[in-house]
Amino acid sequence: NAGVTQTPKFRVLKTGQSMTLLCAQDMNHEYMYWYRQDPGMGLRLIHYSVGEGTTAKGEVPDGYNVSRLKKQNFLLGLESAAPSQTSVYFCASKRTGYNEQFFGPGTRLTVL
Amino acid sequence: GENVEQHPSTLSVQEGDSAVIKCTYSDSASNYFPWYKQELGKGPQLIIDIRSNVGEKKDQRIAVTLNKTAKHFSLHITETQPEDSAVYFCAASVWGSQGNLIFGKGTKLSVKP
Repeated sequence: NAGVTQTPKFRVLKTGQSMTLLCAQDMNHEYMYWYRQDPGMGLRLIHYSVGEGTTAKGEVPDGYNVSRLKKQNFLLGLESAAPSQTSVYFCASKRTGYNEQFFGPGTRLTVL
Repeated sequence: GENVEQHPSTLSVQEGDSAVIKCTYSDSASNYFPWYKQELGKGPQLIIDIRSNVGEKKDQRIAVTLNKTAKHFSLHITETQPEDSAVYFCAASVWGSQGNLIFGKGTKLSVKP
């Protein structure tokens, strides 16, 4: 099992460009999460999903959109990137009834 | 909402010494407290967790203690080894809920050989 994978690993964008980050999990988990990690700020929840076709806002949702069309995939979109969105993005998933979240390796995004 | 404070932000110890990282939380409804370890270039990984119905949990060289009254919990690592060097995050949540974790800001632990 690959666990949680994220694509791409690195990306550089110019201000105003758009992009989509892909998270995939092969553990048949119902819950999926997107976090951003900034120096000295820990991990902050952007959006999450409790199942296929559902999404909800986390602590810092502004400027991001998400979709969960398939159970195994959770997409994070930036419609018009801003330098403030320079960060490392982590995806995580967990199984219903359990609390442990399994994290992917992260995507380092730089917005110039 | 919940707020989790974590101290210290950096910690340096000699190999073989003990390390202690402390966290406080604000929401008395929180009853699940995991600790995650993040090695360089990787995603966080759960190393130990505790629910509010117990005061202490131990797993080999690591232990977590919880004081519900004071709303604080701590991670203890004994006999530290160089491979313990990493960033450690505490978090708080409500057990059995959607699992939304509120994380502390992290502690960078360096173990010097």
